[in-house]
Amino acid sequence: GIQVEQSPPDLILQEGANSTLRCNFSDSVNNLQWFHQNPWGQLINLFYIPSGTKQNGRLSATTVATERYSLLYISSSQTTDSGVYFCAVLPNAGGTSYGKLTFGQGTILTVHP
Amino acid sequence: EAQVTQNPRYLITVTGKKLTVTCSQNMNHEYMSWYRQDPGLGLRQIYYSMNVEVTDKGDVPEGYKVSRKEKRNFPLILESPSPNQTSLYFCASSLSGGDQPQHFGDGTRLSIL
Repeated sequence: GIQVEQSPPDLILQEGANSTLRCNFSDSVNNLQWFHQNPWGQLINLFYIPSGTKQNGRLSATTVATERYSLLYISSSQTTDSGVYFCAVLPNAGGTSYGKLTFGQGTILTVHP
Repeated sequence: EAQVTQNPRYLITVTGKKLTVTCSQNMNHEYMSWYRQDPGLGLRQIYYSMNVEVTDKGDVPEGYKVSRKEKRNFPLILESPSPNQTSLYFCASSLSGGDQPQHFGDGTRLSIL
């Protein structure tokens, strides 16, 4: 099946710093989403971005589908940005389970005041 | 507000006592699915449904049942829960399961003693 790798696995920042999280995937996709899992366990949908660039406030994301990677940019980080960031993809080729998202292992972000 | 609602959010119960986790969406989505999240194993799909009365197994269906009698509801049933089903569970929905964003509920944290 499709492989999804996220980097870095851990990231520690001071409040106000910028960061870039990366997601590499091994096959073509027709769905790519970025999620933030907060300390309460909720999965917050940040972006649906199978290709192109989107921005939402301090966050932006870019997916280069032809090169099979996506980037999540966080600018002027805040303590509330702490948590785990997941990239999840749905391969073009389908697979054994229709609609199943394959998640990366996540990037654990800690923002200190 | 468009949302996926899971209940309960938290549950502590004992081995063998049947339980149901409810999931409801208000977006008229055809596709719904259940995932479980475990440390070191990530998110794994349990079951999915492509429409009313159409369900199929995901990667880890053992010990679970589902039903889809109405479009908006997709309950997860544990007929005889065991400690290895202690996990964080998520329900998700999308328009058709293909190239559209998937929306996740807030999660249900189950502890089986």
